[in-house]
Amino acid sequence: DAGVIQSPRHEVTEMGQEVTLRCKPISGHNSLFWYRQTMMRGLELLIYFNNNVPIDDSGMPEDRFSAKMPNASFSTLKIQPSEPRDSAVYFCASSLGGAADTQYFGPGTRLTVL
Amino acid sequence: AQSVTQLDSHVSVSEGTPVLLRCNYSSSYSPSLFWYVQHPNKGLQLLLKYTSAATLVKGINGFEAEFKKSETSFHLTKPSAHMSDAAEYFCVVGNTASKLTFGTGTRLQVTL
Repeated sequence: DAGVIQSPRHEVTEMGQEVTLRCKPISGHNSLFWYRQTMMRGLELLIYFNNNVPIDDSGMPEDRFSAKMPNASFSTLKIQPSEPRDSAVYFCASSLGGAADTQYFGPGTRLTVL
Repeated sequence: AQSVTQLDSHVSVSEGTPVLLRCNYSSSYSPSLFWYVQHPNKGLQLLLKYTSAATLVKGINGFEAEFKKSETSFHLTKPSAHMSDAAEYFCVVGNTASKLTFGTGTRLQVTL
């Protein structure tokens, strides 16, 4: 199995630009999670989907962030407009069951907003 | 409600000596407990998982953890540290009624 795939691995953009992060979960997994990791705040759950439906988006920082899962094999996290404080590593993870099941993480996308 | 506390933010050991990373948890339900490892610039990798089948759980790379309900602990151990074990380790708690809660992490340093 290829594991969770994320793209791009690195993204450098300027403040105000739109950023789209992509994730392909492990085939057959029913839940997908987006996390953000920073030195200051550690690992934060932004949103999670079950069967392509957003279940909990309470961690999404503000309206500039949005996430979609149009089908079982693809999800996006969009930031529009981006700000320097959005600089972080964004991880996607998937699990076979629900939110408390073992999660398998992708390699992450390192986002730098100048 | 659930929470997890990693008691040490940094642990330093010499290569070949035992490793102990401490974790306490609280959960209103019967918990699932995990340890994940994150090497520099990498994603999180599952080390081991406890789900009530056995209190002593063996994981990858020689790590194991013991679930102690009376102490609400799930400490991670390894008999002999290797340089390649240097990484950040996360203790995680979950249950059927809630999503996973991650600890703040313990950075393990291994010296020669």
